[in-house]
Amino acid sequence: DQQVKQNSPSLSVQEGRISILNCDYTNSMFDYFLWYKKYPAEGPTFLISISSIKDKNEDGRFTVFLNKSAKHLSLHIVPSQPGDSAVYFCAASAYSSNTGKLIFGQGTTLQVKP
Amino acid sequence: NAGVTQTPKFQVLKTGQSMTLQCAQDMNHNSMYWYRQDPGMGLRLIYYSASEGTTDKGEVPNGYNVSRLNKREFSLRLESAAPSQTSVYFCASKGLGRETQYFGPGTRLLVL
Repeated sequence: DQQVKQNSPSLSVQEGRISILNCDYTNSMFDYFLWYKKYPAEGPTFLISISSIKDKNEDGRFTVFLNKSAKHLSLHIVPSQPGDSAVYFCAASAYSSNTGKLIFGQGTTLQVKP
Repeated sequence: NAGVTQTPKFQVLKTGQSMTLQCAQDMNHNSMYWYRQDPGMGLRLIYYSASEGTTDKGEVPNGYNVSRLNKREFSLRLESAAPSQTSVYFCASKGLGRETQYFGPGTRLLVL
């Protein structure tokens, strides 16, 4: 059972436009969510996170929105740049597990065209 | 600081062979994790060590064993490799609380 889902395997946007990556989850115990970015032949790198007590977190060009009632989060990148082309993973964790385990989605490949 | 390092970067095995993937971190982190990444599957947790001296199974532990050698090192062992274990393996570490996990560069494993 996939507890964290990224239903769009790929997304293509024009440079300067907004990129919106989506993620859905099923486990109501999840209370902390993260986005990771991965370039080919490299390990994932942390991008941005959000706690369930918030509905928005912003860091420069990156904003994550959380809709707890819909069990949905999204990552907005504005403006998109060619260097943003990568695979983006959303991940979730439950504080109650006390282990720091992350459950990852399948990933979305973002291509930003110049 | 090197962060999280993994060796080897790439390995080819024949079915039935064994090998150990090495992982080390220099950030004094308590928790360490092993993931595998397969196309369309995201990253799936194999084993983790919440603190030195403890290890626990993740989502896909079958066919693997782990050793938390000390606070710095966490190794993953394949006793009898199978083609289904062809994957990219990532090690990660995390400090206390809700800190983020930091990933190594990965080991690409091909089992023939």
